[in-house]
Amino acid sequence: GNSVTQMEGPVTLSEEAFLTINCTYTATGYPSLFWYVQYPGEGLQLLLKATKADDKGSNKGFEATYRKETTSFHLEKGSVQVSDSAVYFCALTPNSGNTPLVFGKGTRLSVIA
Amino acid sequence: GAVVSQHPSRVICKSGTSVKIECRSLDFQATTMFWYRQFPKQSLMLMATSNEGSKATYEQGVEKDKFLINHASLTLSTLTVTSAHPEDSSFYICSAPGLASDNEQFFGPGTRLTVL
Repeated sequence: GNSVTQMEGPVTLSEEAFLTINCTYTATGYPSLFWYVQYPGEGLQLLLKATKADDKGSNKGFEATYRKETTSFHLEKGSVQVSDSAVYFCALTPNSGNTPLVFGKGTRLSVIA
Repeated sequence: GAVVSQHPSRVICKSGTSVKIECRSLDFQATTMFWYRQFPKQSLMLMATSNEGSKATYEQGVEKDKFLINHASLTLSTLTVTSAHPEDSSFYICSAPGLASDNEQFFGPGTRLTVL
């Protein structure tokens, strides 16, 4: 079956530090991959996505590259800010119709000034 | 991007009462919507798939008589928590897939249910 494994937090970084949150997946076929962010008390917002191998999704300084050979979609940001403090979810969905997302467990990031 | 709304955003009710949560796709039609539940500091757990004009499909372990889902139109799905108890207190989130081929889903802002 389909599954997503992401590094467990919490992750605490100082402002301007480099961020990596690892995400690997198991899926049949060629899934679409997503990173969602959840700020305290809010719903999920799409951060970035990639739909095929070697695609790079990017948004707000965050990047992730769809690596089929390593089945990974690691999230990176070169310089984090306090406002990036949130929970980050890696997710996938098969490219085959209206199917629900499969989520990783989420990684809580705290950025301190 | 497409917008999904949920109402109410927060609800507090007494044990034994029923609570209805609405999920609407505001600028697109959704024949399918998904309902998730999220406990504090945990990931989202899929509860059920809501299908317009037909019965919902529930995930294993989710009581269909407890969590009633109705998808009466292409823009509205409702989740009713019947005879709510404190253990039903949680954050309920709905989502709807967009029309693009990448199956991106659009999430509602969530409903915080507290059962006293």
